[in-house]
Amino acid sequence: AQRVTQPEKLLSVFKGAPVELKCNYSYSGSPELFWYVQYSRQRLQLLLRHISRESIKGFTADLNKGETSFHLKKPFAQEEDSAMYYCALIGSSNTGKLIFGQGTTLQVKP
Amino acid sequence: GAVVSQHPSRVICKSGTSVKIECRSLDFQATTMFWYRQFPKQSLMLMATSNEGSKATYEQGVEKDKFLINHASLTLSTLTVTSAHPEDSSFYICSARNLGTAYNEQFFGPGTRLTVL
Repeated sequence: AQRVTQPEKLLSVFKGAPVELKCNYSYSGSPELFWYVQYSRQRLQLLLRHISRESIKGFTADLNKGETSFHLKKPFAQEEDSAMYYCALIGSSNTGKLIFGQGTTLQVKP
Repeated sequence: GAVVSQHPSRVICKSGTSVKIECRSLDFQATTMFWYRQFPKQSLMLMATSNEGSKATYEQGVEKDKFLINHASLTLSTLTVTSAHPEDSSFYICSARNLGTAYNEQFFGPGTRLTVL
């Protein structure tokens, strides 16, 4: 079964501290993995995708197939990073169906 | 960039009535759109895949006669909640897949807040 697990509902850190939002997945093939972000009162938007290996707003995520993880990291959190973060996978590129994790609220305190 | 709109942004209706929610891709054509439901502080649950010119594909447990989906054009999909009840109150979000982007990226609408009294 396809599943995405984000074990933390809330992660609270101080400004300037490192951040790691955990994501584990369950999928038998080779999934495409994504991180989406939803700022307060805004729509969901793509943050980054594993296939492009990019860094957006200082965030990076590395796909670890051995551990079936795709953790999101940032070395120095900023207050404007406070938002809801969703890890998601697409199991079959033909359908494009996104399977979302439960989401983690990141709270960056001043 | 690619923009997806939803209308209305919020709707309040009486129990037993039907409500239609529109999802439009404003500057690109979308053969595939998706409808999600989001409960407060919870994840997005995929309800169905809307395919232009053909029947929608529903996820397990989603009643197709309850949630009617029509994808009549390449820029518009509608979700009709029929005979709505209080338990249908939720935040409904659509997304549209832009095949013109490098990774067939999905773009999300702002969501529609449905409250059934």
